[in-house]
Amino acid sequence: GAVVSQHPSWVICKSGTSVKIECRSLDFQATTMFWYRQFPKQSLMLMATSNEGSKATYEQGVEKDKFLINHASLTLSTLTVTSAHPEDSSFYICRGLAGGPTDTQYFGPGTRLTVL
Amino acid sequence: QKEVEQDPGPLSVPEGAIVSLNCTYSNSAFQYFMWYRQYSRKGPELLMYTYSSGNKEDGRFTAQVDKSSKYISLFIRDSQPSDSATYLCAMISQGAQKLVFGQGTRLTINP
Repeated sequence: GAVVSQHPSWVICKSGTSVKIECRSLDFQATTMFWYRQFPKQSLMLMATSNEGSKATYEQGVEKDKFLINHASLTLSTLTVTSAHPEDSSFYICRGLAGGPTDTQYFGPGTRLTVL
Repeated sequence: QKEVEQDPGPLSVPEGAIVSLNCTYSNSAFQYFMWYRQYSRKGPELLMYTYSSGNKEDGRFTAQVDKSSKYISLFIRDSQPSDSATYLCAMISQGAQKLVFGQGTRLTINP
């Protein structure tokens, strides 16, 4: 079946540094990528939606200058957490979608970010 | 009021039991209803999706949608320890892209 990969799976960084998370759709073209964050024992919170070649649309309360999203190709989207702080520590998950709501869509395995 | 309500549990049942997981929602525009399974520290995987009302069966899993009551269910028959995970319901309106998730129910199947 279709697979979405994320890299890295776990990253630890110092406060103030930037971290880039990659999301790749391996055998389908993801026209839309969604980025979520998930705190322990909580549901997924949508951060932003990006369509290939367009600027991302951010959800209310999500700082676009802090969470930079790039969707340069149909198989790659990146999320960069700039000047990370301990409160940014979370589980970040991407979801790739090809077409409508019942078309091919898969979540990535997630990236655990720990900011010290 | 949240658009989608789901009891977070935790829910613990013995192996072999029938499990019933449920969500209620308030937005009558929702047309597609999904159930995801998420193991600890992993991304969610799509288990089943249903369009509009009705039942859908896939192996040990049955999804039910009752749009008149704005209520959806996932039944797991002959539950196995490997079914232990968090189950998230999600739904979406026609033409929309954003899924609206329930909080997720943590399920443990005890051997």
